[in-house]
Amino acid sequence: GAVVSQHPSWVICKSGTSVKIECRSLDFQATTMFWYRQFPKQSLMLMATSNEGSKATYEQGVEKDKFLINHASLTLSTLTVTSAHPEDSSFYICSPGVPTEAFFGQGTRLTVV
Amino acid sequence: KQEVTQIPAALSVPEGENLVLNCSFTDSAIYNLQWFRQDPGKGLTSLLLIQSSQREQTSGRLNASLDKSSGRSTLYIAASQPGDSATYLCAVLIGQLTFGSGTQLTVLP
Repeated sequence: GAVVSQHPSWVICKSGTSVKIECRSLDFQATTMFWYRQFPKQSLMLMATSNEGSKATYEQGVEKDKFLINHASLTLSTLTVTSAHPEDSSFYICSPGVPTEAFFGQGTRLTVV
Repeated sequence: KQEVTQIPAALSVPEGENLVLNCSFTDSAIYNLQWFRQDPGKGLTSLLLIQSSQREQTSGRLNASLDKSSGRSTLYIAASQPGDSATYLCAVLIGQLTFGSGTQLTVLP
């Protein structure tokens, strides 16, 4: 299966600061990357879809100015949580757009204090 | 809008038991269905993928079935072990993945 590397695996930051999460596809080129968020005891919810070389598509209710997505190359997509607040504390996970089967990064546990 | 439901939400069984996890979806026009395992604080591990044209897939002690017409899938785990304890998620693909809320499985030694 596809190998996906996501960093950091966990991060604690102060309220008001920004956090960048990286997602790399190690053994294939991903033109599309899906970013999900998972709150405790809940399932994964799609936040946005990034496309290499173009603007990301955000799901309803997700603030594009708060969750900045960059997909500058076929192997790297980043999600930056800007001006983070405690309610942004969650588990963020990426998944490259593989046509036949979904694979996921290891996830990033973000805690905003 | 596709909705995916998993029952039960939590399950606790003694080691060695066979068990079945259930997943249902509202829109049968799916491309495929995937079962994942998620350990606490970790990412998702793909267990089994069933294409829309298939009825089941097997991997070791795991067997997943798919009945598109009724909008149901089951994950059968044989001879459960404490190491099987995790949350199991099913997800269906129609354009994008839609996940169920998961079943938290605890296998007691």
